[in-house]
Formats: sequence, C-alpha cells, structure tokens
Amino acid sequence: AQKITQTQPGMFVQEKEAVTLDCTYDTSDPSYGLFWYKQPSSGEMIFLIYQGSYDQQNATEGRYSLNFQKARKSANLVISASQLGDSAMYFCAMREVEWAGNTPLVFGKGTRLSVIA
Amino acid sequence: GAGVSQSPSNKVTEKGKDVELRCDPISGHTALYWYRQSLGQGLEFLIYFQGNSAPDKSGLPSDRFSAERTGGSVSTLTIQRTQQEDSAVYLCASSLDVKGRYGYTFGSGTRLTVV
Repeated sequence: AQKITQTQPGMFVQEKEAVTLDCTYDTSDPSYGLFWYKQPSSGEMIFLIYQGSYDQQNATEGRYSLNFQKARKSANLVISASQLGDSAMYFCAMREVEWAGNTPLVFGKGTRLSVIA
Repeated sequence: GAGVSQSPSNKVTEKGKDVELRCDPISGHTALYWYRQSLGQGLEFLIYFQGNSAPDKSGLPSDRFSAERTGGSVSTLTIQRTQQEDSAVYLCASSLDVKGRYGYTFGSGTRLTVV
C-alpha cells in the first residue's frame, strides 16, 4: 500500500498567488517525520520543510508552511507569494521511527508545479 | 566536502555490463542512502548505511544490485549484468542525524543509461 499519496500530478498557479500541494500519508507508528523536497529541472533535491508528529505547531520556513492535520493524516505544503523560480517537482516524504532506529524516507510520486507570469 | 558528490554524472553502458556508481557524502554525516528515480517518477529507496551498523538492503530490487561503504565514508553502488530497466537516475544522500529532523542532503545524481 502507498505510504505517501500525492494526488495532484500537476498544478498551475499565477505568480504572487498562494498554492497548496496535497499530501496524505499512512502509518500506524505514533512517531514519524514528514518532509517536503523541491526538485527543479536541474535534478537536485532541495530540502524545504520538516514536521514532526509530536510538534505542536505547524512548521514554517519563509514562504513555505506545512498544514499538518494529524487526524486526517495530511501534510499539505503551502507556498505563499509564488515566484517563477518555484516551478519544479515537489515531493512529500515520511520517515517512520521504530524502536530500533529510523527507517529511510519514503517518497510520494510528486506534484509538478508550474508558476505562470 | 561541502556537499554530496556523485560520480560519474552520466554513464552509458551496454546491456550485460557491470557498472559502479560512487558517492562521497558530507564529512561527518553518519547516514548514507541510495535512491533510484526513473523518468518522471518518485524516488525508490534502495539501501542505507548508518554508522557501523549492518546496512538496510531491503530496497534492492534484485541480487544484481549491491553496495558497500568503506571506512564509514565513500559508498559504491554496483549493478551487475545491467538491464535496460536499470536505466534511471541514481541519487545518493547523506544526513547528520538519522533520528532527527534533519533533511537529507542529496547529490546531483548519476544518470545511467543502459543500451
């Protein structure tokens, strides 16, 4: 079963507007971490933001914020004031924490965001 | 080094040949990961190393794939008897603290094409 689901293969947003990229996850572990990465056309993977399952507040990093709804198992990425340079693939990922140590990140299939001038 | 370094950046090989892909992680990073990304797809976990512990090989797709990490630093991913379906970008990443909130730092990848 898919552990990370990103239902939007592609999204368009007007420059300077906000956009939400959806991510739902599946885990029975009470302790886990959620990550978002950006992959521009150059191919590099850029870490954007992290949310721990026990964090009381939603994570924010500059123009990025994570809308964490634990009961719904969703961790949507919100990008405010979109810029042309935000055009890229965005991946949601999860790490489950087991008693013996951590498991590697599991990635969703990604959402391609295109910012229009 | 300043970042995760992978070599070669591009590799074209004939079907049936063996290839070695190299990853040089950030100095001091104890965890090292290999992922594969096929065209237009997400990242598929292959293997990870944490310190001196036995590696987690659960993602390796077949016994043609193997990896080692020497001296807790450089890692080599070896694919034997390459097949066309092995064509993909192979990404290496390292992290400072496996249990923490640190994201991985990825290398630029090796684009493997099997012809």
